[in-house]
Amino acid sequence: NAGVTQTPKFQVLKTGQSMTLQCAQDMNHNSMYWYRQDPGMGLRLIYYSASEGTTDKGEVPNGYNVSRLNKREFSLRLESAAPSQTSVYFCASSERQGASEAFFGQGTRLTVV
Amino acid sequence: GESVGLHLPTLSVQEGDNSIINCAYSNSASDYFIWYKQESGKGPQFIIDIRSNMDKRQGQRVTVLLNKTVKHLSLQIAATQPGDSAVYFCAENLSSGSARQLTFGSGTQLTVLP
Repeated sequence: NAGVTQTPKFQVLKTGQSMTLQCAQDMNHNSMYWYRQDPGMGLRLIYYSASEGTTDKGEVPNGYNVSRLNKREFSLRLESAAPSQTSVYFCASSERQGASEAFFGQGTRLTVV
Repeated sequence: GESVGLHLPTLSVQEGDNSIINCAYSNSASDYFIWYKQESGKGPQFIIDIRSNMDKRQGQRVTVLLNKTVKHLSLQIAATQPGDSAVYFCAENLSSGSARQLTFGSGTQLTVLP
C-alpha cells in the first residue's frame, strides 16, 4: 500500500520554465490537495479537489493550475515558474473534504533559479 | 491570514520526560482541532484530533487539551522518545467558501535530548 506518491522528488527550473508535479493515491479517497511549505511556515493550500471532476482555489493559487485526472491522480502545473515558487510541495488526500486526517506524500523540493 | 499560531518555535526535552506543545487559535468556528507530526524529509502525519465540543482526548502516549475560553490547544506527549523528534503542527478545519479546509500553524520543532 503506497499511500500518496509524488513525482519528482527534486526539481530545479529556470525562471519562465513550466513543469507538472504528479500525484497519485491508492486509498480510494475522494478529496485531494496541493500544499506548499516554506521555511518557518506551515503548509499553505494551493488548490484542492473535493471530489473527482471538481477543483477549487485555496489560499495561494496564483501561478498554478491543477487537473484532477481521475479519482487517483491530481496534478499541479506551473506554467511559468518564478523564484517565489521555490518551495516544498506536498500532495495530500482524504476520504472527504476537510477531514481531520489527511495523508501526505513525501514532497517535491522545487528550486526556481 | 494565519489563524493558528504556536507559542514557541523550538522545544527541547530530555528523553523520558513529558513534552507539552502549545498552540493558540483565533477562529472559533472550527469543527475540529488537529495535530500533525512532520519528521525530517517526510510529509506531515496525522496524530490526533479533538472535536470543538470536547476538552480532552487521549491517544497512545498523547493527550490533546482544548481550552475554548482562552482559545488554546496543547499536545502532551508522555515519556518522550527519540523518535518523537519532529516538527509538530496544529491545524484546524476552517470553512472557506463552500468547503472546510485544513489550516496549519507554523510548527514547533521538538528535539529529544539523550
